Amino acid sequence: AQSVTQLGSHVSVSEGALVLLRCNYSSSVPPYLFWYVQYPNQGLQLLLKYTTGATLVKGINGFEAEFKKSETSFHLTKPSAHMSDAAEYFCAVTQAGTALIFGKGTTLSVSS
Amino acid sequence: DVKVTQSSRYLVKRTGEKVFLECVQDMDHENMFWYRQDPGLGLRLIYFSYDVKMKEKGDIPEGYSVSREKKERFSLILESASTNQTSMYLCASSSTPGDFYGYTFGSGTRLTVV
Repeated sequence: AQSVTQLGSHVSVSEGALVLLRCNYSSSVPPYLFWYVQYPNQGLQLLLKYTTGATLVKGINGFEAEFKKSETSFHLTKPSAHMSDAAEYFCAVTQAGTALIFGKGTTLSVSS
Repeated sequence: DVKVTQSSRYLVKRTGEKVFLECVQDMDHENMFWYRQDPGLGLRLIYFSYDVKMKEKGDIPEGYSVSREKKERFSLILESASTNQTSMYLCASSSTPGDFYGYTFGSGTRLTVV
């Protein structure tokens, strides 16, 4: 069975600081991995995804994530946080032909 | 721009009522999903559908049913609403169930059962 663990339900950073949101997955076969963002009172928006190929994937708004098979991780990073990055972030995993399984989410707060 | 539209943004219903949550997509997607979102629990899959008149149970189907009579519409039904079904409900659609191209989500329906 697949599962996703997001370490830290709440992460706080200062504007301009590095953002690191952690995600570890469990999957018996090569997974597809995703990060979604949810701004207040909105639905989820796809940030980036890993399916095959290059393990470092770049997404929207300056975010990127690296698939590390040996560590079963897919951490999300951004070099310099902006106030507008404050939102809830969800990591998700799937195998081909199955529905997405989401983590419990990490709320990112950005202070000035 | 592709869209998933959920008919109600906020809904208040009484315990025991039959509740219908409607979702329509305009992307000709085969697959549609209903998730429930609760603080600290993330998104949990209730039901999904790979085709018209098809449905599959997700992780938490108890107390819910679904209907997909047309490709573009996927309805979630609470047969007899209870207070523990107070939650945010998110509908999504995709062209492939494994989200190779990405799920498109609606804005959500916040349901309160009193």
